[in-house]
Amino acid sequence: QVQLQQWGAGLLKPSETLSLTCAVHGGSFGAYYWTWIRQAPGKGLEWIGEIHHIGNTNYNPSLKSRVTIAVDTSKNQFSLNLTSVIAADTAMYFCARIYYGSGDDWFFDLWGRGTLVTVSS
Amino acid sequence: QSVLTQPPSASGTPGQRVTISCSGSNSNIGVNTVAWYQQLPGTAPKALIYNNSQRPSGVPDRLSGSKSGTSASLAISGLQSEDEADYYCAAWDDSLDTYVFGTGTKVTVL
Repeated sequence: QVQLQQWGAGLLKPSETLSLTCAVHGGSFGAYYWTWIRQAPGKGLEWIGEIHHIGNTNYNPSLKSRVTIAVDTSKNQFSLNLTSVIAADTAMYFCARIYYGSGDDWFFDLWGRGTLVTVSS
Repeated sequence: QSVLTQPPSASGTPGQRVTISCSGSNSNIGVNTVAWYQQLPGTAPKALIYNNSQRPSGVPDRLSGSKSGTSASLAISGLQSEDEADYYCAAWDDSLDTYVFGTGTKVTVL
């Protein structure tokens, strides 16, 4: 059974860099896209970006200037870096797998438990 | 940025049918498929519907999805107490070049 385990620093000061990692256990890493999604306290979901196991990335334009998603296929892991964080970046950050089927089939089919990141001076 | 609009709340008694709407535009729901997610308090979202009406393995058939034009709907039949959760729709937006989520609907079982 495939599981996603995520970790990273939970408390940051403004202007610091958020760094999170997500490890894929018990299943295939290749042939999938992997993604990060966040949720501010009491708010809805916001897609951050995605990466394929060969390294192709796609980012939310609203965050693109500050976001880097990378992959380490040797460890079956992918990571998120978000630079110059501000209070508005305070959120629960989820890693997830994207199922892409034939045609337009897609959905986020597997999720990590989430990491709460707080940005405060 | 939530560009898909959902009612903030919906409710019903056990056994009833509840429907949640998701309103979008010609750049998202109008041209792309819709997925639905359930989020129980303090947990990660779980996929309920993809490709407008398909259920992932393990999702009961009392949950159903549909799409018409620039709107989509999620129906929960035979409402149960464990259905109390937040529900989100999602789609790709061709104009914003990003996945977008709905504003979320809190379902309460009375």
